Amino acid sequence: GQNIDQPTEMTATEGAIVQINCTYQTSGFNGLFWYQQHAGEAPTFLSYNVLDGLEEKGRFSSFLSRSKGYSYLLLKELQMKDSASYLCAGADYKLSFGAGTTVTVRA
Amino acid sequence: GAVVSQHPSWVICKSGTSVKIECRSLDFQATTMFWYRQFPKQSLMLMATSNEGSKATYEQGVEKDKFLINHASLTLSTLTVTSAHPEDSSFYICSAREGLDGYTFGSGTRLTVV
Repeated sequence: GQNIDQPTEMTATEGAIVQINCTYQTSGFNGLFWYQQHAGEAPTFLSYNVLDGLEEKGRFSSFLSRSKGYSYLLLKELQMKDSASYLCAGADYKLSFGAGTTVTVRA
Repeated sequence: GAVVSQHPSWVICKSGTSVKIECRSLDFQATTMFWYRQFPKQSLMLMATSNEGSKATYEQGVEKDKFLINHASLTLSTLTVTSAHPEDSSFYICSAREGLDGYTFGSGTRLTVV
């Protein structure tokens, strides 16, 4: 099974940077996903890491350390529309989600 | 990219009735689909893994006789909530896996039982 931990809430100012940390414990590992979810909507894929290191995609980057069971999602140049819940999910033969981190971007 | 269609988007039903939710992979074959449930301000909780042509695998605490899953083809899985009660009101989301690292989500179904 999987045990996924991430902070419950984070608040940041428009234009700033926020880093959401995620730790995981898995019986098997087939990658670490990050999703964005707005209230009442399905999750939207942001990133996937299966090897150690940083993956950069525009304003969003994700990092993985398999030896430490650790990942983070970095959101740069925050915009108001980035206010959402960010879900860390570990994959073995299925996806298991953390509780999600609610990010609030303030003007 | 891969698309998963989920219907209906929302449904209101009377307590004691059954509701069927469909999940279709539109442009790929999904041998495995997943059904999640999400209560307000909580994360997605996996209910069951649906495998084409075989019985679904349910997570601990999920009643298989209440949440019937059928995966009769490589592009369609259905979840039927039987004898629904108000506590079953939730957001139900399906996901289809394409390959090892591709998970595509449906748009979700908001179920309200009155």
